[in-house]
Amino acid sequence: AQKVTQAQTEISVVEKEDVTLDCVYETRDTTYYLFWYKQPPSGELVFLIRRNSFDEQNEISGRYSWNFQKSTSSFNFTITASQVVDSAVYFCALSASSGGYQKVTFGTGTKLQVIP
Amino acid sequence: KAGVTQTPRYLIKTRGQQVTLSCSPISGHRSVSWYQQTPGQGLQFLFEYFSETQRNKGNFPGRFSGRQFSNSRSEMNVSTLELGDSALYLCASSLLPDRLGEQYFGPGTRLTVT
Repeated sequence: AQKVTQAQTEISVVEKEDVTLDCVYETRDTTYYLFWYKQPPSGELVFLIRRNSFDEQNEISGRYSWNFQKSTSSFNFTITASQVVDSAVYFCALSASSGGYQKVTFGTGTKLQVIP
Repeated sequence: KAGVTQTPRYLIKTRGQQVTLSCSPISGHRSVSWYQQTPGQGLQFLFEYFSETQRNKGNFPGRFSGRQFSNSRSEMNVSTLELGDSALYLCASSLLPDRLGEQYFGPGTRLTVT
């Protein structure tokens, strides 16, 4: 069975603060993919990153960084120097094979509010 | 480059009816995935089509079906609508299947079942 847990339901930070969104996953597969998506108030999902289970290198893209740790089954997302435009719901997701299909499981999302 | 388009944007149907939603992917993309988003169940993966073949599917009843045409446009059909089918239906297109490529999402179709 697959499971993705985003324990933080809502987070509020003041602009320019750093914030980390947690994601913990469960899967029995050795090959899987992890994702982060952003859903701003407009509703349209935005793909942020994909990471496969064999690549534990951390990744940085501008103010965004991701920390993947297989030992703790976590794939955390950090926004540095947050901005008001970062206000959105962020979803972590897991994709792995199940019965010949790629099964996709989403976390419940973390709503981030950046206060000016 | 035009983005992913979904039609209609809003739809109101009554229980028992059927509905067809359409998704036009970005030009050149052959993978189209469908997702359902509800306040209660959150985001759930419905299915994925790649080169006119259903490649992956989630845990939804057979009332939910889809297809993909030779131009990669995809349609999703829900028969015998239930109140619980009220949701935002999102589609995403990608160059590669299995979410191996970057995904681009459409604005969604908001379906209300009364």
